[in-house]
Amino acid sequence: GAGVSQSPSNKVTEKGKDVELRCDPISGHTALYWYRQSLGQGLEFLIYFQGNSAPDKSGLPSDRFSAERTGGSVSTLTIQRTQQEDSAVYLCASSLAGGGYTFGSGTRLTVV
Amino acid sequence: DAKTTQPPSMDCAEGRAANLPCNHSTISGNEYVYWYRQIHSQGPQYIIHGLKNNETNEMASLIITEDRKSSTLILPHATLRDTAVYYCIVRVVSGNQFYFGTGTSLTVIP
Repeated sequence: GAGVSQSPSNKVTEKGKDVELRCDPISGHTALYWYRQSLGQGLEFLIYFQGNSAPDKSGLPSDRFSAERTGGSVSTLTIQRTQQEDSAVYLCASSLAGGGYTFGSGTRLTVV
Repeated sequence: DAKTTQPPSMDCAEGRAANLPCNHSTISGNEYVYWYRQIHSQGPQYIIHGLKNNETNEMASLIITEDRKSSTLILPHATLRDTAVYYCIVRVVSGNQFYFGTGTSLTVIP
């Protein structure tokens, strides 16, 4: 596609449930990032994939968070046993290596 | 779709002020102007944001025109470490739509 696509755009889940967020990057982009932004806060880095290299997971806030990228393309961010503090907008971005990147429109996650 | 337009690249001499323009002519009344920057291969770094008044913090100043259709980010004394891609973003504070411009690649020259 022409841009980075994320789904769902909005997700409401009950505390304790697991959720999966999907990101379809721009075709050919080797780098993929996940960020989140809580209300009124700046972007918080979560995880970074670059080609076939081991991902940089240094931003994941707890072991309830995990992400994978299959076939160097689509990525899924999984949050297990969701907590209310997980409520945020989750953003995915992709880029060519070393290039400026394009963000998706995000998934708004609300944990009730 | 991006709601901002920025020049693709700029150079600035070290120690001089860097003035980065951004056009956002379709900005809505409840949309803020945010500036982020991306240093090579790192995540975006928040710089500053504003609604209609000029803003200043330890990193930069943001000048927003009275009609809010454009703004300028000012780095008062550019250093080599300010070399980065600077993104001007328009968004509603509580919204989930990020409208990124193309970004300006700023190169600070020794």
